[in-house]
Amino acid sequence: DGGITQSPKYLFRKEGQNVTLSCEQNLNHDAMYWYRQDPGQGLRLIYYSQIVNDFQKGDIAEGYSVSREKKESFPLTVTSAQKNPTAFYLCASSMGTGAYNEQFFGPGTRLTVL
Amino acid sequence: AQSVTQLDSHVSVSEGTPVLLRCNYSSSYSPSLFWYVQHPNKGLQLLLKYTSAATLVKGINGFEAEFKKSETSFHLTKPSAHMSDAAEYFCVVSDSRNTPLVFGKGTRLSVIA
Repeated sequence: DGGITQSPKYLFRKEGQNVTLSCEQNLNHDAMYWYRQDPGQGLRLIYYSQIVNDFQKGDIAEGYSVSREKKESFPLTVTSAQKNPTAFYLCASSMGTGAYNEQFFGPGTRLTVL
Repeated sequence: AQSVTQLDSHVSVSEGTPVLLRCNYSSSYSPSLFWYVQHPNKGLQLLLKYTSAATLVKGINGFEAEFKKSETSFHLTKPSAHMSDAAEYFCVVSDSRNTPLVFGKGTRLSVIA
């Protein structure tokens, strides 16, 4: 089955701990993305990567970090510097960025910081 | 800069009646436009997309949208709502530059039996 997997589905962490969210795709897509979703705010872009070993900050990158060492993987680390990390996190991928390139989404990870 | 505005945060319809979800966009270039649907606690699924071909775009599950350049609109419609259509819907824009998609804030569709 081709697609995007995110794990885990639910994640609980104590305040002050770093946590890493996994995202893997087998669609052979070049571009990958991380979004944060809060009620009533739509999707906000955290980071995106157009190619291996390269990534750019999105609109709300502060307190987050990413790596892109393999084409199929784009993990997101939520650091202790992120002031309000509890949210639903969505990973996506596409052939390229910009026009004509629809994004394919994973099922999401719900992070709760206690 | 590109942007998208979904004019209603919440729309409620009765089962079997038409659905209209409104979206206006702003773009300096010829835009691509998309509608996505999200069911509770799930990822987003592409409903349909416009990429400068036919202005009336048909999507999955009986949805369609019409690109109107003069009105800068891309409204989503369906002739008859089904209970399974209850979800969050996102209008999305991208222009011809090498930049990621821009998402609207979403419209929550409720379908009443």
